[in-house]
Parts: sequence; structure tokens; C-alpha cells
Amino acid sequence: GNSVTQMEGPVTLSEEAFLTINCTYTATGYPSLFWYVQYPGEGLQLLLKATKADDKGSNKGFEATYRKETTSFHLEKGSVQVSDSAVYFCALREETSGSRLTFGEGTQLTVNP
Amino acid sequence: DAGVIQSPRHEVTEMGQEVTLRCKPISGHDYLFWYRQTMMRGLELLIYFNNNVPIDDSGMPEDRFSAKMPNASFSTLKIQPSEPRDSAVYFCASSFVGVGYTFGSGTRLTVV
Repeated sequence: GNSVTQMEGPVTLSEEAFLTINCTYTATGYPSLFWYVQYPGEGLQLLLKATKADDKGSNKGFEATYRKETTSFHLEKGSVQVSDSAVYFCALREETSGSRLTFGEGTQLTVNP
Repeated sequence: DAGVIQSPRHEVTEMGQEVTLRCKPISGHDYLFWYRQTMMRGLELLIYFNNNVPIDDSGMPEDRFSAKMPNASFSTLKIQPSEPRDSAVYFCASSFVGVGYTFGSGTRLTVV
């Protein structure tokens, strides 16, 4: 079946540090890949997505590239801010699963000033 | 669009009572999902609907949980009777094929 594995948290960084959150996946077909972000007390929000191999999703300074050869979709940001503190979820959607997403466990990020 | 609307935002109830959580999806979305989030178990898919029809309820923990979607603009998740281990944040999300989910703000349920 489908699965998503994220690097374990929590991750603690200082402001302006470089961020990488690893995400790898297992899928039988050609999934679309997503990153969602959850700020404290809120629901998950779509951060970025990529629908085919070598696509790069980007938003708010975050980027992730769909790497089919390594089945990965790592999230990166060059310079994090305190306001980026949140939980980040990697997810995939198989072509055959309609709209259903498979989520990773989530990675808690804390950015200190 | 107001997004996915959930009510209530917070619910505190006594063990054994019936609890009903409500969700209004985004107009035009044909998928609706109910999730439960806890520190111990993370984000769990409970059930999802397509065009108001339940497609997969394998995540519903036990018979005390039930969900309905009587029309395209409303869904409920009911717990009867409630137990302290049901305490969690319950999220509703809606989607259209090819588009990512839009989540509601959640209902924080506390069963004492």
C-alpha cells in the first residue's frame, strides 16, 4: 500500500537557519505529492504540491522537488523565521485513490529568535 | 468562500453523553473527510464520503462512532456514548478531484 515517512521531530532551529525536512514515500503508481502546514490551534493548510517527477513546488520561500528516482519530496527553506514554527505534514495522492491523501506523521518545527 | 466550517470549536462533555460534531464543506467539493488528531496517534482518517456516499469507514474506531452526510453541504460525526479516550481534535476536510484538501479549524473534544 501507499505510505509516507517523514524525518522525526521535533526540529529546533535558530532564525535565518536553513531548513530541511525529509520525506520519502512508497506508492504503486505515479502519485501527486503535497506538503501541508499546521499552525498552533488551526487546521492543516496546503503549503505546496507537485504532480509529476522533477516538478518543484514552492510557496512562501519553501520548496520541494519531486524526485522519482529516490522517491522523495524533501521540504527546504533557505532562511526560516519564528513565524514558520508549526507542524509540517508530507502527503501523497495516488491516481487511483480519487481525492484521498495518505499523510506522514508530521514534523514539529520550532524556530527560536 | 468561507472555507470548511466546523462546529462547535470546543466541546466538553461527560462520559456517556452523546456528542455531535458538524461540518459544512466548500460548495462544489465532492469529497468530505473526517480526521481525528491526538498527540499519541497523530492524524487518523476516520471516514470519507464521495458525492455524499460513504466510501471507506475502516478508520472508525468502533460502533460508538457514526457519520452521515445527508446532502452535499452538511455532514455530522456522532459519538454515542462518549468516553475519555475519545478526547481529541476532530477535523473535517473537503476536496475536489485534482485539488488538495481544505481543512476546517477543527473541534476540540474533551470528555471528562
